[in-house]
Amino acid sequence: DVKVTQSSRYLVKRTGEKVFLECVQDMDHENMFWYRQDPGLGLRLIYFSYDVKMKEKGDIPEGYSVSREKKERFSLILESASTNQTSMYLCASTAPRGPQHFGDGTRLSIL
Amino acid sequence: AQTVTQSQPEMSVQEAETVTLSCTYDTSESDYYLFWYKQPPSRQMILVIRQEAYKQQNATENRFSVNFQKAAKSFSLKISDSQLGDAAMYFCAYRSALTGNQFYFGTGTSLTVIP
Repeated sequence: DVKVTQSSRYLVKRTGEKVFLECVQDMDHENMFWYRQDPGLGLRLIYFSYDVKMKEKGDIPEGYSVSREKKERFSLILESASTNQTSMYLCASTAPRGPQHFGDGTRLSIL
Repeated sequence: AQTVTQSQPEMSVQEAETVTLSCTYDTSESDYYLFWYKQPPSRQMILVIRQEAYKQQNATENRFSVNFQKAAKSFSLKISDSQLGDAAMYFCAYRSALTGNQFYFGTGTSLTVIP
């Protein structure tokens, strides 16, 4: 079974802090994704990566950046956290033509 | 960009009964994949069922089946013999077979199972 591991289930940070969310997958998938999930809005794509050091903006990239230095690891970075970035963050990976496999999610609160 | 619409924000079903969740999508492509995901409260999002657009036969996984109407761009999920453990948020998703990288999700349907 594919395992996607997110570094934290719950995280509390302060406004203005730089925040790192880490995601690791163990199936050698090329494609990895970061989503934000908010009630009534479903999943919104922040960034995705289709190879090491390759990234593409999703629908809501503002205020975020990503890093993919190794194939198995995809990091989401909040450059200067703001209260409107309080949300559930989901990481996913996928093989070509396959379904997405999700991590447990990180519930991030920005105070 | 493709759009996926789930018009039922909330649904409820009596235990042991059958419920159908609706999903429509908009695309000009002919080859694609459709998925239903389940997200129980405070738990991981997991794949329930998938459908390849080139297959006419509707996918089935135990108590879960789909009604795939390609011409109508409709992809509904039927849950038979509903169980308490089926209570969750359900998301419909689309993936192109050509471009392949992006998935498009609906806004979800919250399913309540009444004992």
